[in-house]
Amino acid sequence: AQSVTQLGSHVSVSEGALVLLRCNYSSSVPPYLFWYVQYPNQGLQLLLKYTTGATLVKGINGFEAEFKKSETSFHLTKPSAHMSDAAEYFCAVIGGAGYSTLTFGKGTMLLVSP
Amino acid sequence: NAGVTQTPKFRVLKTGQSMTLLCAQDMNHEYMYWYRQDPGMGLRLIHYSVGEGTTAKGEVPDGYNVSRLKKQNFLLGLESAAPSQTSVYFCASNGGAAEQYFGPGTRLTVT
Repeated sequence: AQSVTQLGSHVSVSEGALVLLRCNYSSSVPPYLFWYVQYPNQGLQLLLKYTTGATLVKGINGFEAEFKKSETSFHLTKPSAHMSDAAEYFCAVIGGAGYSTLTFGKGTMLLVSP
Repeated sequence: NAGVTQTPKFRVLKTGQSMTLLCAQDMNHEYMYWYRQDPGMGLRLIHYSVGEGTTAKGEVPDGYNVSRLKKQNFLLGLESAAPSQTSVYFCASNGGAAEQYFGPGTRLTVT
């Protein structure tokens, strides 16, 4: 079985500040890990994913995440927040029979102030 | 290429009524999923399908039924709606490369 824990239901940053959203996972198989973003009243959009290979993955809109197996973490970062980054962010891990189902964290709302 | 579409976008039901939500994808994906999203709960998997004619239960399947008669469509049914089923419902599909593509959602209110 797999699970995802996102620390902090809300994170507030100032425009231009570092963004750090935390995600820890548990998985009984080598994990595939994802970050999705959801803007108000929209569906989810993939930011980035880790499957195999390089542990530092880069995504859209300047975001990146690092897979750390020893810490069972996949934290999302962006060096400089922009107002348009305000949204809800979900970490997810894939597992299940045939790697067919995603398990999501409960989400972190990112608030960006001017 | 529309991706994943959902019908309807909004619906209000009275307790005990039934309805069907339709999900369609034009990417020839084998896997399709139904999730519900509730505040503070993230997305929870209701049912999913790994191919035409197959369905499987997810984390929260009670009160819902699904059918996958055609590869491109995945239907979610509520036979007797309850206020606890008030939620935003998302459909997603996956072509086998792990990434899931999401529809825009259906906002359902049960009074």
